[in-house]
Amino acid sequence: QSALTQPASVSGSPGQSITISCTGTSSDVGGYNYVSWYQQHPGKAPKLMIYDVSNRPSGVSNRFSGSKSGYTASLTISGLQAEDEADYYCTSYTISTTLYVFGTGTKVTVL
Amino acid sequence: QLQLVQSGTEVKKPGASVKVSCKTSGFTFTSYYIHWVRQAPGQGLEWMGMINPGGGSPTFAQKFQGKVTMTRDTSTSTVYMELSSLTYEDTTVYYCVLGGIAPGGWFDPWGQGTLVTVSS
Repeated sequence: QSALTQPASVSGSPGQSITISCTGTSSDVGGYNYVSWYQQHPGKAPKLMIYDVSNRPSGVSNRFSGSKSGYTASLTISGLQAEDEADYYCTSYTISTTLYVFGTGTKVTVL
Repeated sequence: QLQLVQSGTEVKKPGASVKVSCKTSGFTFTSYYIHWVRQAPGQGLEWMGMINPGGGSPTFAQKFQGKVTMTRDTSTSTVYMELSSLTYEDTTVYYCVLGGIAPGGWFDPWGQGTLVTVSS
């Protein structure tokens, strides 16, 4: 089971919007609405930001939103803030015996 | 408050085994899957497997079948992950994570992570 494909890095200025893509196949992203997104600051455990493609957990800023089209899921961060600088990972449930696959990870830099 | 607290840093020699614990609280232990995810230094996240504390056999990623064992202790609401025949490539941080009541869905919250270092 190959990792989902994410851009290695995305950057933006404070206040701007950025979008991180997460591309898979019909066996994972395209086949299920079980895509979630995680934020990880250096030395910390990941934190859930979006679940089931587009749902935001309680306590997560509404500046974070998720969507999916075909085999590609996306995480959009609007009104970029310095605290958003972190690594972001997507994950999807899969049809394979390895039930979950993570994305390759994207480093977000706030300029 | 949902909480997963893991055991501390381990240093092991190649070929040895390591057992990491994950003590849970704040939810019905037997109702939710617990997953294990690992992250090598500077690398991405990798799903290892999951266990249903309510019963049944654990499910492992193909890569970890035969290398990982997952067990539970319902009396202490604790899940254990044992990794055998350690190699230098097993030097990573291991996380336990709360899943849903069925496969699929999301991971939340995460334990604080346990660093396992394999060194001769």
